[in-house]
Amino acid sequence: GAVVSQHPSRVICKSGTSVKIECRSLDFQATTMFWYRQFPKQSLMLMATSNEGSKATYEQGVEKDKFLINHASLTLSTLTVTSAHPEDSSFYICSAREAGKDNQPQHFGDGTRLSIL
Amino acid sequence: GQNIDQPTEMTATEGAIVQINCTYQTSGFNGLFWYQQHAGEAPTFLSYNVLDGLEEKGRFSSFLSRSKGYSYLLLKELQMKDSASYLCAALDSNYQLIWGAGTKLIIKP
Repeated sequence: GAVVSQHPSRVICKSGTSVKIECRSLDFQATTMFWYRQFPKQSLMLMATSNEGSKATYEQGVEKDKFLINHASLTLSTLTVTSAHPEDSSFYICSAREAGKDNQPQHFGDGTRLSIL
Repeated sequence: GQNIDQPTEMTATEGAIVQINCTYQTSGFNGLFWYQQHAGEAPTFLSYNVLDGLEEKGRFSSFLSRSKGYSYLLLKELQMKDSASYLCAALDSNYQLIWGAGTKLIIKP
């Protein structure tokens, strides 16, 4: 089945550090990848939709200069949390949808737990 | 606006059956997904319905009524490992997933 790899699984770092999270589709091509954030005991919140070869589409209230997204190839999207602060601590999850299969399920990575001290 | 409603929490007994309901209102409709999410983990895909009716997959079944904007997930022969959150998500006309807040299912022995 479709596999999405997300790395790293956990990050603990000091306030002011920039953190890069990678999301790779291992056995399929993904023109669209999605980045979610989930705070404890809350629902998934879509942050942005990452499109290969073009700019990401950010949801309302998500700062594009804070959360930089790059989708340089059909198998890799990255999310960089710039100058992270304690309030950015959260569970970040990516998902990918296979190219040309818009009505197929999104496949999720295992998530990245980010803790900013 | 677009909206998904599902109960916040449900409790059931090991070995029993539980039905988790979901109602949706979206701009267009291209199908409904159910995902399972264990605490601290990413969601995993359970089922997809785009036509009316019941889809059965082992102990789990999912039902859809497009005219009523309604779906349910039916879990049979409940096991302790089924304790998780169950997320309902509808695909709108732009193929964007609209997520429900999830139903936390607690299984008691």
